[in-house]
Parts: sequence; structure tokens; C-alpha cells
Amino acid sequence: QKEVEQNSGPLSVPEGAIASLNCTYSDRGSQSFFWYRQYSGKSPELIMSIYSNGDKEDGRFTAQLNKASQYVSLLIRDSQPSDSATYLCASRWANQFYFGTGTSLTVIP
Amino acid sequence: EAGVAQSPRYKIIEKRQSVAFWCNPISGHATLYWYQQILGQGPKLLIQFQNNGVVDDSQLPKDRFSAERLKGVDSTLKIQPAKLEDSAVYLCASSLALDNEQFFGPGTRLTVL
Repeated sequence: QKEVEQNSGPLSVPEGAIASLNCTYSDRGSQSFFWYRQYSGKSPELIMSIYSNGDKEDGRFTAQLNKASQYVSLLIRDSQPSDSATYLCASRWANQFYFGTGTSLTVIP
Repeated sequence: EAGVAQSPRYKIIEKRQSVAFWCNPISGHATLYWYQQILGQGPKLLIQFQNNGVVDDSQLPKDRFSAERLKGVDSTLKIQPAKLEDSAVYLCASSLALDNEQFFGPGTRLTVL
């Protein structure tokens, strides 16, 4: 069973703070990793993809991958109330995609 | 560019009835995915098509679920007969190719009574 695990939260941070979201995966053969944002009642939308060890930055978002530790994280700088959503971590192994259960983030104004 | 279209948006049926969902991917996207998302869980991949061929259907409950993408464009997912535990949101997604960014449709919320 290939699993992606996330802390379900809820995670609350004040506006302007850094939100840190974490994800671990069970299969060392996983090749690609994705962070999706899902607002309540809406479908997921891709924030970041990361394929190699290290950091990848896109605006206020930074994804970090450590394949040795089987760990992926997402940092959101200068958090805004509009960032309040569920964040889903996903991994790809061969042709299969595995999603975690998501971490609920609330940014408090 | 039009997004992924799905219909219906909502469906309520009784257990043992049949139901079908339709998905039209973004134009030019070769890969199409069907996911099941139960409340409070992440999406679970049911089946993945590359053009009109099945790439992976290992998590599709084949005794009751079926899907097709006959012309390599739009796709239909069917459940027959439905069970209470099939209540979920069924998401369709498409991508240009395998391992490209997936774009999700709005989903179909199914309630089985």
C-alpha cells in the first residue's frame, strides 16, 4: 500500500505569518510530488510540483523535497486569509497518483 | 481556454440504482482521470486514460464501476448498482500528457440513499 500522510490539522496561523505544511510518503519509488489547494466545496487546484531534492519557489510558496527522509513540505509566506483552504499532498508512482487526506489551514486576520 | 466540464453537478439516487457521470476534458488533453473523493479524504484515483486506452484501473471496483473514453475525448463513468458507500464527489481531471499538471473539473456530488 503506497501511502501519503498528512497532519489533518486544523492548522491556524495569523495573517502575515509563515504556514508550514508537511507530508510524508511511504514508497521510495515515488517520482513526482504535488501540492494542491482545495477550497470547501471546490475541486483541487495545483499550487506546486517538485521532482528533485531541494527547494522550489513560486511567489509566496516554497516546496521542499527530501527523498532520503521521504518528506515533502510546503511553506506559505505572508499568509493571507484567502489562503484558508485544505492543502493536499500527492505523489506519483509509475502511473498512479496517491493523495493524502489534506491539512486544513486557517489564516486568522 | 475552457476548463474541464462535468455533468451532472449533483445526483441523488437510491441504493441499487444506476448512475452515469460525463466528463469533457480540456481540448487537446490526451490524459483523462476519474477520482473519487469521499468527504474528509483526499481524491482516490479510479481510472486513467491515455487517449482512448486505459493506462491504469487498478483501484476501480470493476464489479460495479465502469468507464469508457471511446473517441479519446469525453468520458463516461458508470456505477451499477450503487451502494451507500459510493456517496462521494466524483472528480474528472485532464492533462496534456502523463505527469503533466492535472486540471480538475467541478465534480459531481453523488448521494446514495
